Amino acid sequence: QKEVEQNSGPLSVPEGAIASLNCTYSDRGSQSFFWYRQYSGKSPELIMSIYSNGDKEDGRFTAQLNKASQYVSLLIRDSQPSDSATYLCAPFGGAQKLVFGQGTRLTINP
Amino acid sequence: GAGVSQSPSNKVTEKGKDVELRCDPISGHTALYWYRQSLGQGLEFLIYFQGNSAPDKSGLPSDRFSAERTGGSVSTLTIQRTQQEDSAVYLCASSSGLPNTGELFFGEGSRLTVL
Repeated sequence: QKEVEQNSGPLSVPEGAIASLNCTYSDRGSQSFFWYRQYSGKSPELIMSIYSNGDKEDGRFTAQLNKASQYVSLLIRDSQPSDSATYLCAPFGGAQKLVFGQGTRLTINP
Repeated sequence: GAGVSQSPSNKVTEKGKDVELRCDPISGHTALYWYRQSLGQGLEFLIYFQGNSAPDKSGLPSDRFSAERTGGSVSTLTIQRTQQEDSAVYLCASSSGLPNTGELFFGEGSRLTVL
């Protein structure tokens, strides 16, 4: 079992719709969770962090965490073409290191 | 500059040669990470440093790979006797090093091509 699993996509969403990205992780020692965005040919950049069960909203982005189910998700509302990128889920594990999933490639269609 | 700096940005080498990749983290950041990203793939963890110590070297693919960090600052990733499968972008990132801090700041990467 991979430490972090994401659907590699591509996920295609019409402009203005909600994009839903999912991630499961295996390390129950993980206490904090991060979403990174990576544009093609660029380095990853942090867009969201979540530490407690429930939802955390930041602008058009909402992160959701369920530690019992070892599940974290990212919702992007009112999707824009500029949101087209690969989204990487990254739990901060008990070994004090950030482990990345393979990423979900998201395409927003105008 | 204020960000993470990596050099060289591009390196083409012949199979069997040794290469050194350098990372200069953000000033004051105690944690430093090396990742590898092959074309179209996710980030593969290689090693991380807390200060000059490397608590976790579990991601280094083979004994041809080594890394060091001196003065709690600059880090060098060395690949000996390079193979074609070593071709990838090598990304360095730094963070404040506080517990559970997953906010990493990445450099632009070093693209390695082994012919």
